[in-house]
Amino acid sequence: DAEITQSPRHKITETGRQVTLACHQTWNHNNMFWYRQDLGHGLRLIHYSYGVHDTNKGEVSDGYSVSRSNTEDLPLTLESAASSQTSVYFCASSLRTRAPLHFGNGTRLTVT
Amino acid sequence: GNSVTQMEGPVTLSEEAFLTINCTYTATGYPSLFWYVQYPGEGLQLLLKATKADDKGSNKGFEATYRKETTSFHLEKGSVQVSDSAVYFCALIPLNRDDKIIFGKGTRLHILP
Repeated sequence: DAEITQSPRHKITETGRQVTLACHQTWNHNNMFWYRQDLGHGLRLIHYSYGVHDTNKGEVSDGYSVSRSNTEDLPLTLESAASSQTSVYFCASSLRTRAPLHFGNGTRLTVT
Repeated sequence: GNSVTQMEGPVTLSEEAFLTINCTYTATGYPSLFWYVQYPGEGLQLLLKATKADDKGSNKGFEATYRKETTSFHLEKGSVQVSDSAVYFCALIPLNRDDKIIFGKGTRLHILP
């Protein structure tokens, strides 16, 4: 079965370190998204991509970057981790615009 | 702009009770409407959807009807189970150029045995 896999599931890092969260999907979807989930804020869009070499900023993109070198992967990089980036991060994909999203199981990141 | 408002939780019910989680939206035209469910430790899963006015989405005993006149998409289930305990998100995809999905803030549901 097709799936979307995030790794690691849990990560603890120190302030100032660079961190990369992996997202790999086998749906062959063009569209991929990164969200963060925080109490009181719901889901907020960080970055998204509509295809290889395409990346776009979401509503909370400061301090994050992504690159899309193939269809399957959209890694999320925190250039210099801050405590405000402690959160649960979800990757999602969709076949096309306006199609439902498929989500990974999330990465819980703690920045100390 | 486009937005989704859903009732704040947590909502606590006894098993076999009737469930309603309210969701209203603001959008131009006819957006597509969705309910997603998030079980503990997991990502969101699509529960049901509706793409035009008066459509009824249904799945796993849950239903929601697209009401254009009241801009609502309330989630209902006639008899909840303990296994329905989760966080439920209402969402829309607007019918315009900026067509990314917009989520409500989620409603946590606790079902007591």
